Amino acid sequence: DAGVTQSPTHLIKTRGQQVTLRCSPKSGHDTVSWYQQALGQGPQFIFQYYEEEERQRGNFPDRFSGHQFPNYSSELNVNALLLGDSALYLCASSYRSQETQYFGPGTRLLVL
Amino acid sequence: QKEVEQNSGPLSVPEGAIASLNCTYSDRGSQSFFWYRQYSGKSPELIMSIYSNGDKEDGRFTAQLNKASQYVSLLIRDSQPSDSATYLCAARASSSNTGKLIFGQGTTLQVKP
Repeated sequence: DAGVTQSPTHLIKTRGQQVTLRCSPKSGHDTVSWYQQALGQGPQFIFQYYEEEERQRGNFPDRFSGHQFPNYSSELNVNALLLGDSALYLCASSYRSQETQYFGPGTRLLVL
Repeated sequence: QKEVEQNSGPLSVPEGAIASLNCTYSDRGSQSFFWYRQYSGKSPELIMSIYSNGDKEDGRFTAQLNKASQYVSLLIRDSQPSDSATYLCAARASSSNTGKLIFGQGTTLQVKP
């Protein structure tokens, strides 16, 4: 039973660039939530996708956008990267939007 | 802003002891709570969920919830060095219909052999 997968595992970008992160949910799950975790902090909710729609957004600017595909996989896009965007980006999947969330291994983004 | 508060630690316990991790939350409407374990450089791993007042046991782990006091705790019995990690407490936001989780900053646990 495949768990949540994310790609890439690590990424280095420079300020102003754009990045796309990918997530495949656990088998049987249809909902994907994205979180940002800065060093030494707990994860912060970015948004959730269910039925290919963004259902709720956390306190993140419009530079952060996403998409969910018919196979339930998801992408997180960040435009105009800032140094402060350096963090671990976590994807969590669940069956339906309010069920227990399971995290993928994360993508570590470093913005120089 | 709804918050979840944890003491960042580190909490240091000897091997074989009971580790007690605590968490308070401000959203009185929250009904669902979760404990995740995060090893250094890794992603959070679900340990337990708890929804009702009282205790819930799973192996060496016991989660406790007191909604009146807005308090959640995790007890780890017979602590092992492999339990050394950061423990994240999370509450599901009551204002959300999406299962949005609000996390504390985590408590670092060190179990010394």
